[in-house]
Amino acid sequence: SSELTQDPAVSVALGQTVRITCQGDSLRSYYASWYQQKPGQAPVLVIYGKNNRPSGIPDRFSGSSSGNTASLTITGAQAEDEADYYCNSRDSSGNHLFGGGTKLTVL
Amino acid sequence: QVQLVQSGSELKKPGASVKVSCKASGYTFTSYAMNWVRQAPGQGLEWMGWINTNTGNPTYAQGFTGRFVFSLDTSVSTAYLQISSLKAEDTAVYYCARGSSNFDYWGQGTLVTVSS
Repeated sequence: SSELTQDPAVSVALGQTVRITCQGDSLRSYYASWYQQKPGQAPVLVIYGKNNRPSGIPDRFSGSSSGNTASLTITGAQAEDEADYYCNSRDSSGNHLFGGGTKLTVL
Repeated sequence: QVQLVQSGSELKKPGASVKVSCKASGYTFTSYAMNWVRQAPGQGLEWMGWINTNTGNPTYAQGFTGRFVFSLDTSVSTAYLQISSLKAEDTAVYYCARGSSNFDYWGQGTLVTVSS
């Protein structure tokens, strides 16, 4: 199917580790990229490719993939990481698609 | 530094048209694809399609054919999104985003509100 499925909401205690997942058949063929979006702001790319961080993204953000599941891991979550997170990949036609988004709450 | 600066908010009546601009700076405009992404109020991101900034050839995602047109003016490093026959359900923030495999720079977003 040409869909990417994310859990709607995840919470993590301050300083702990959290994994946000994204499932879809296309992830067997394409890497996911991950975007952080805070209220009223444009999305920001945080992970792309196998596990690459753009300049300025803290190294507590990492990515991984296995089978039809891509994951974004935040090791030592900070209060400023509270945001919506979206995965993105391509479908079988090569077009992009986004997951439904995961709202991360840092407790 | 790379910047994508979009035009300001728009309030339109149903049936009207709107044209959103996205002016790029800080890089060679024709070296990167330009994408358009929609975000309805309180909803997630939706990829609308992309335009090849070399050839001007657009590709539209399912659901964004017919009333949506991507165009360019390479002389001013600007991409455009035009939406015709506006409907209430077109009310959203529209983003331009640079890239092919991933979207490394985004415009600030343009809110288009369709209301009578």
